[in-house]
Amino acid sequence: EVQLVESGGGLVQPGGSLRLSCAASGFSFSSYWMNWVRQAPGKGLEWVANIKQDGSENYYVDSVKGRFTISRDDAMNSLYLQMNSLRAEDTAVYYCARRKRYCNSVSCPGGLDYWGQGTLVTVSS
Amino acid sequence: DIQLTQSPSFLSASVGDRVTITCRASQGISNSLAWYQQKPGKAPKLLIYAASTLQSGVPSRFSGSGSGTEFTLTISSLQPEDFATYYCQQLNSYLWTFGQGTKVEIK
Repeated sequence: EVQLVESGGGLVQPGGSLRLSCAASGFSFSSYWMNWVRQAPGKGLEWVANIKQDGSENYYVDSVKGRFTISRDDAMNSLYLQMNSLRAEDTAVYYCARRKRYCNSVSCPGGLDYWGQGTLVTVSS
Repeated sequence: DIQLTQSPSFLSASVGDRVTITCRASQGISNSLAWYQQKPGKAPKLLIYAASTLQSGVPSRFSGSGSGTEFTLTISSLQPEDFATYYCQQLNSYLWTFGQGTKVEIK
């Protein structure tokens, strides 16, 4: 059974740092792109970042570039999100999600097929 | 960046109704679109990928269509467990975006 379990959320002051972790099991973690998606309280979903299978490529939403770093440890089946210079607007539930392995001749429109339960990050003084 | 606009933002419907949600992209994205269902306090669930392919285990009353800039999610006969918020997501490039969501409530 595929499982993704996030941890590391909590209360942090503006300007502070936090590191989120996502423990994966039940699938070949090293074979998948992985993602972080967040959801502010009462708001919609926002894709945050993703990382290629071997860690050689990663991409970020503009609002977190230069402040957040996505990384992975395939030996530990774990995904991470290092968050620095946190702002009040970063307050959200952060989800770890696996990209479905599906590609056609043009793109890879498979979506995110497994999600964790989320971990809440609150940025407040 | 590619923007997605869902309509309507809120929908009130009855059990058994046919429901259609539209997602419009700010530029052409071929079939690089997915649909999700989210219930309160839960993680989103993938319903449709590649615009029209049903994810394994999802009931056949859900269907997706469209290509380019206009896409639709249709629920052929709304069931009590379908009352939730639905999101579209574009996967055309490596910088992904979601629509703002459509909340489906009981009339």
